[in-house]
Amino acid sequence: AQSVTQLGSHVSVSEGALVLLRCNYSSSVPPYLFWYVQYPNQGLQLLLKYTSAATLVKGINGFEAEFKKSETSFHLTKPSAHMSDAAEYFCAVSSSGGSYIPTFGRGTSLIVHP
Amino acid sequence: GAGVSQSPSNKVTEKGKDVELRCDPISGHTALYWYRQRLGQGLEFLIYFQGNSAPDKSGLPSDRFSAERTGESVSTLTIQRTQQEDSAVYLCASSSTGTRTDTQYFGPGTRLTVL
Repeated sequence: AQSVTQLGSHVSVSEGALVLLRCNYSSSVPPYLFWYVQYPNQGLQLLLKYTSAATLVKGINGFEAEFKKSETSFHLTKPSAHMSDAAEYFCAVSSSGGSYIPTFGRGTSLIVHP
Repeated sequence: GAGVSQSPSNKVTEKGKDVELRCDPISGHTALYWYRQRLGQGLEFLIYFQGNSAPDKSGLPSDRFSAERTGESVSTLTIQRTQQEDSAVYLCASSSTGTRTDTQYFGPGTRLTVL
C-alpha cells in the first residue's frame, strides 16, 4: 500500500521568500516520487520526479526536492518565490513493486504576496 | 506537439441525465488515466488503460461510471443517471508507456456540474 500526505492545504509566502512545500510518503517498497503543479484553469504538469537516482532532484522553474528515506519525505523547495509560482502543487507516489497507478496527495495551494 | 485535450471544458447537466466526457491523449501514448478532482481534494483515480490490456477499473465509484478506449486513441468516460455528488473536475492523463516512473501528461479537465 502507498500513500502520501501533504502538510498544509495552503502556504503563503512573500515574493522573494523561500518556498517550502511538505510531502511525506508511506510505501512498503522503494518509492518513486513526483511533484506536479496545476496553474489556474490548466491541467497538471510535472515539476520533477525521483526515480532512485540522485536524491536531490532539480526541476523546472527553479524548484528542487530532496528524497530523505529516513524521514520518508520529499519536500519541495525554491529559494525565492515569484508571483508566477502561485498555483496548486501535488505530491504523488508510486512504488517499484506496487500498482502502476500513482497515489496523489490532496494538494497545497501556494499563495505569493507582493 | 499537441498535448492532451478534453471536451467539453464545461458541462452542466440535470440530475438523472447521462453525460459523456471525451479525452484525446498524446499520439503514441499507450497509457491513459481518468481521475476525478473534487473541490479542495486530491486526485481520485478512476480507471487506467494500457495498450490492449484489460483496463484497471478499480477506482470507478459505482456501476454508473464506465469508460472505453478505442485502441491507443480517444477515450470516453460515461456517467449514467448523474447525481449531485458527481460534480467535480474530471481529468484525463496519458503517458508514453504506463510504467511506474513514467510522467503523466494531463489535459485541462472537464468541469461537470450536476444541478
